[in-house]
Amino acid sequence: GIQVEQSPPDLILQEGANSTLRCNFSDSVNNLQWFHQNPWGQLINLFYIPSGTKQNGRLSATTVATERYSLLYISSSQTTDSGVYFCAVVDNDMRFGAGTRLTVKP
Amino acid sequence: DVKVTQSSRYLVKRTGEKVFLECVQDMDHENMFWYRQDPGLGLRLIYFSYDVKMKEKGDIPEGYSVSREKKERFSLILESASTNQTSMYLCASSLTGQGHGYTFGSGTRLTVV
Repeated sequence: GIQVEQSPPDLILQEGANSTLRCNFSDSVNNLQWFHQNPWGQLINLFYIPSGTKQNGRLSATTVATERYSLLYISSSQTTDSGVYFCAVVDNDMRFGAGTRLTVKP
Repeated sequence: DVKVTQSSRYLVKRTGEKVFLECVQDMDHENMFWYRQDPGLGLRLIYFSYDVKMKEKGDIPEGYSVSREKKERFSLILESASTNQTSMYLCASSLTGQGHGYTFGSGTRLTVV
């Protein structure tokens, strides 16, 4: 099956800093999503982005399907951005990376 | 908004018990999924279903079974709970075809003692 790798596994930022999270996948996919898991465990869909670039406020994502990677950008980070960010790809079903745990310190 | 509801937020069960985790979605999605989440391992697919009474094994089906008698409900069954099944369980649903994302429930944290 498709392998999904996320980097870095852990990231600690000072409030206001910018960051880039990366997702590599091993084969072509039909769908790619970025999720944020809040401290209560709820997975919140951030972007559905099989290709191209999307922006939503301080967050943006870019997927280069031909090179099999996606990037999630967080600008001017806030403490509420803390949590785990997952990249997930869909072939016949959805496969998740191990996640990046982001901690934003005040 | 699509809603995926998991019946219990926290559950504590004894080793050997039969455990039912329920998931209901309200947007007529064809596809439903059960994942478990463990630290450092991300989410791993247990079972999924593309239609009523239909089920497919995911990556880690051992020790689990599922039931989908109605389109909106997908149940995960632990036939005889064991301590290594202590985990966070997440249900998701989606429409068929490209261009549709997944929506997740809020999860059930199961502890088997």
